[in-house]
Amino acid sequence: DAGVIQSPRHEVTEMGQEVTLRCKPISGHNSLFWYRQTMMRGLELLIYFNNNVPIDDSGMPEDRFSAKMPNASFSTLKIQPSEPRDSAVYFCASPVISGNTIYFGEGSWLTVV
Amino acid sequence: GENVEQHPSTLSVQEGDSAVIKCTYSDSASNYFPWYKQELGKGPQLIIDIRSNVGEKKDQRIAVTLNKTAKHFSLHITETQPEDSAVYFCAATVNSGNTPLVFGKGTRLSVIA
Repeated sequence: DAGVIQSPRHEVTEMGQEVTLRCKPISGHNSLFWYRQTMMRGLELLIYFNNNVPIDDSGMPEDRFSAKMPNASFSTLKIQPSEPRDSAVYFCASPVISGNTIYFGEGSWLTVV
Repeated sequence: GENVEQHPSTLSVQEGDSAVIKCTYSDSASNYFPWYKQELGKGPQLIIDIRSNVGEKKDQRIAVTLNKTAKHFSLHITETQPEDSAVYFCAATVNSGNTPLVFGKGTRLSVIA
């Protein structure tokens, strides 16, 4: 298994543009977590899904952020319109099928200028 | 909800010495406590975890202890090496791959050769 795969790894975009981050979780388990990491706030949970259904999106900063999980093998996190304060590393994480250990992808490093 | 506090925020040790990082949690229902290591430019990687029915767990130079009564757990690294330099995060959750981890703010460990 290739683990959790995220794309893009790095993105630089202008303020106001739409940003879409993608995640392919570990196959066979349909829970998925999106985290954001910043120096000031550390690792914050944005939203998580069980069985492709959003369970808790209270961590999503505002309506500019949205996330979907149309099937067990794919999820997107969208920011529209993007702002400089959205600059951060966005991580996707999922458990392995055989247990509760949660694995992280390598992250999407977003810079909004 | 769960709240995890982590100390210290930075730690410098001489190569070969031991390093200890401490965390406290607030929710007595939490029963799964993983530790992650994050190297520059990478996602957090699980290095060891402990469940609430165990007081201590060891894996080579790394050990974790848990005190459920006091709601604190610690990471111990012995015989530190320069490659141990990284940011370490503790986390807590109810023991389930379907529930999100709540993270501490991280400890930046520097091992000086």
